[in-house]
This record gives sequence, structure tokens and C-alpha cells, in this order.
Amino acid sequence: DIQMTQSPSTLSASVGDRVTITCRASQSIGTWLAWFQQKPGKAPNLLIYKASTLQSGVPSRFSGSGSGTEFTLTISNLQPDDFATYYCQQYHGYSWTFGQGTKVEIK
Amino acid sequence: QVQLQPWGAGLLKPSETLSLTCAVSGGSLNGYYWSWIRQPPGRGLEWIGEINHSGSTNYNPSLKSRLTISVDTSKNQFSLTLSSVTAADTAVYYCARDLSEYYYDSNGYGYRHDTFDIWGQETMVIVSP
Repeated sequence: DIQMTQSPSTLSASVGDRVTITCRASQSIGTWLAWFQQKPGKAPNLLIYKASTLQSGVPSRFSGSGSGTEFTLTISNLQPDDFATYYCQQYHGYSWTFGQGTKVEIK
Repeated sequence: QVQLQPWGAGLLKPSETLSLTCAVSGGSLNGYYWSWIRQPPGRGLEWIGEINHSGSTNYNPSLKSRLTISVDTSKNQFSLTLSSVTAADTAVYYCARDLSEYYYDSNGYGYRHDTFDIWGQETMVIVSP
């Protein structure tokens, strides 16, 4: 299986900040990477797919970049609704795997 | 819009069989793969497996020996069966619709790449003696 490693595990930030989360793959996955947001007691919500394509309805303050083995999710102008846990997911091989998650908490 | 509603037994004893079903409303099973994903308490997400409307499946290798995913197109639903459960199978289980993209190489061979664009609500399964 392709292993996905996210950093940091926890991130403390304030409303209005720009935050960046990194996801690294154990082998090249091209741009087959998605980002999800999950809030407590809720199912994950797809934010970005194909590394940088914004899912319909997702605010433009979310952006993704990267290819190969290193990817980033950036949230510009962090809003109160953005405090949540974020997961990356690779979909290169036929066994889809997720990162361990990054919790964005209020500083 | 498409909605997914999972249901099934929530409390099992070790060695029993876990059975969950996901009913799809507002759309057809046709043309998509449909996945099961789980999340142990306080931990990350694990993809379990997927199926399409014609019954073609793809399983997580770590669960393959205990896993069966099936589809019932007449009821527009798909199901998960996991045998010989242990405490390690205690988790929130989700059903989801795959967002598939196909890439064709120079020989015309197609590769499918899936993420998940619509999710059902969480359903908790606890395995305890």
C-alpha cells in the first residue's frame, strides 16, 4: 500500500491566518490526491481532488498544490467554520489510503 | 440530490459477522463505484472496499480474507459483510459514492482513480464480549 504522512498532526491558528498542511506519499502518485475536512460526529467532506481542483461549493480560500510525492493544502484567511480535522487521500493504486489527519485548532 | 443511508447491527461479539447496508436515494447505482470506509474511535480513515452496479469489487488487501461487498440493484443498495470480527473492527462505518476518473495509457489500457464525493452518515459498530 502507498503510505500517506501528514504534517503537522495538530496546528494552532487564529481567525484570519493562512495555514498550510503538508501530505507526503511513500511513492509517486502523480496528482491523484484529495483533501477532506471532517468535523466531530460528521462524515468527511471532499474539498479538493486531483491535487488542486476545488470541489463544487467549496470556498475559494481553500487551495491545493503539489505532484509526485509532496502536496499541500492551504487555507487563506482562516474562518471559524474551518476549525476541523483535515485528511489527505491518495487514489493512485487500487487500494485507496488516507493520511492520519491534521487537526486545526483555535490558538 | 443523491443521499446515502447506512443501517445495520451496531453491537457484536467477537467472532460474529458484521453486516451493514447502504441505501442510495435520489440517484441510481449505475455508472459509479460505491465504497465502504471506516474510522476507529479517535483515529484516521481506512478504505474497506468498493463495488459497482454490476458487482465488480475491489477490496483493501488487509481485509480481503474476511470481506464481502455485494449489490442489490432492485433495491438500489449495497452491503458490507465482515466475518470473524474482533475489537479492532470497532469503528464508525461510512458508505460513500466514488468520484472516478479514468486515465488511459499509450496502449489504451484504462486505470481508474477514485476519491469520494458523497458520504452517508456515520454508523457506529462496537465489538465487545
